Amino acid sequence: QQQVKQSPQSLIVQKGGISIINCAYENTAFDYFPWYQQFPGKGPALLIAIRPDVSEKKEGRFTISFNKSAKQFSLHIMDSQPGDSATYFCAANYYGGSQGNLIFGKGTKLSVKP
Amino acid sequence: NAGVTQTPKFRILKIGQSMTLQCAQDMNHNYMYWYRQDPGMGLKLIYYSVGAGITDKGEVPNGYNVSRSTTEDFPLRLELAAPSQTSVYFCASKGQGGSYEQYFGPGTRLTVT
Repeated sequence: QQQVKQSPQSLIVQKGGISIINCAYENTAFDYFPWYQQFPGKGPALLIAIRPDVSEKKEGRFTISFNKSAKQFSLHIMDSQPGDSATYFCAANYYGGSQGNLIFGKGTKLSVKP
Repeated sequence: NAGVTQTPKFRILKIGQSMTLQCAQDMNHNYMYWYRQDPGMGLKLIYYSVGAGITDKGEVPNGYNVSRSTTEDFPLRLELAAPSQTSVYFCASKGQGGSYEQYFGPGTRLTVT
């Protein structure tokens, strides 16, 4: 199954709180799981990524938790700030033919209230 | 480096018209991609290219065509525009050598009426 299911569709968090976005997949051949951040009117930009042989990756306030057996991964934003307000996309890399392409989730719009 | 650039930023087309969305990158990346983004639907791959002269279809190629005559440029052609092609179009590129990161352009917002 070439799908990545992302939830929730939207999320409102108070400043200083923890934002959690979840993604699930079926295809065990996926080999790379990035999160992209997109601000209004801009293109997506890579935020953080993980490979399936690692259970957690942390970069500053952003952490990916990866559960290979459950085929789920999540993005945690600690101490959420108004500047984190954006749309977040999870994705998974698969090989179609000779090269890898990304399958994206449908996105989560995060609003962080001051 | 300018990264990935796209022109135009906005365009309104009438049904049946044609146009070309331009994309260029100055990072000497072999891989280039075209996506469309519809509200609440994420990004869908239209076409991709693994190098000059080589292109292939993605998930939603119908109604579009591409060419890749140089490493830098990857234009997307819409023939006989339809309202269903109203969307935001993003071009992206990726280097080789095991890199997975895709770099996105700022997008083109297209409305077909």
